Amino acid sequence: GNSVTQMEGPVTLSEEAFLTINCTYTATGYPSLFWYVQYPGEGLQLLLKATKADDKGSNKGFEATYRKETTSFHLEKGSVQVSDSAVYFCALQLGTSYGKLTFGQGTILTVHP
Amino acid sequence: DTAVSQTPKYLVTQMGNDKSIKCEQNLGHDTMYWYKQDSKKFLKIMFSYNNKELIINETVPNRFSPKSPDKAHLNLHINSLELGDSAVYFCASSHEGGNQPQHFGDGTRLSIL
Repeated sequence: GNSVTQMEGPVTLSEEAFLTINCTYTATGYPSLFWYVQYPGEGLQLLLKATKADDKGSNKGFEATYRKETTSFHLEKGSVQVSDSAVYFCALQLGTSYGKLTFGQGTILTVHP
Repeated sequence: DTAVSQTPKYLVTQMGNDKSIKCEQNLGHDTMYWYKQDSKKFLKIMFSYNNKELIINETVPNRFSPKSPDKAHLNLHINSLELGDSAVYFCASSHEGGNQPQHFGDGTRLSIL
């Protein structure tokens, strides 16, 4: 079956630190990959996406590269801010799945001043 | 001008009761979804509708019945509520087709006493 595995959290960083959140996937086809972010008390928002191998998604200083050879889509940011504190979800979607997103378990990020 | 709106935001009720959650989107999307987020933040799809037709039903107990009166609305009715139904329920919508980002509501926190 299809699944997404994210690194265990929570992750606690100081402001301006480098962030990596690991994400690997298993899929029966060629998925599109997404990172969603959930701020406290809110719904999920799309952060970035990549639809084919070697694509790089980027937004708000966050980046992730679709690596087919390692089935990974790790999220990175060079310098985090307190406002980046949120829950981050990696997800995959297959073209045949009628839009169904399969999510990882989420990683809680807390950034301290 | 909220894109995906859910009501109510909070729902506290007794075991055995029947309740409904409403969802509306004003984005002109064809496809709408219900997701359940448990206490550990894990998100799982429950249902998806495309143009008022059910296209995904993820082995959800038949106490849960979605209804889509039109493309812009997808409501969720739950009969005979159980303790295990306590969760945050998210509505989402997207354009039809693969690789389409989903737009989420802010969630409905359901607590069963």
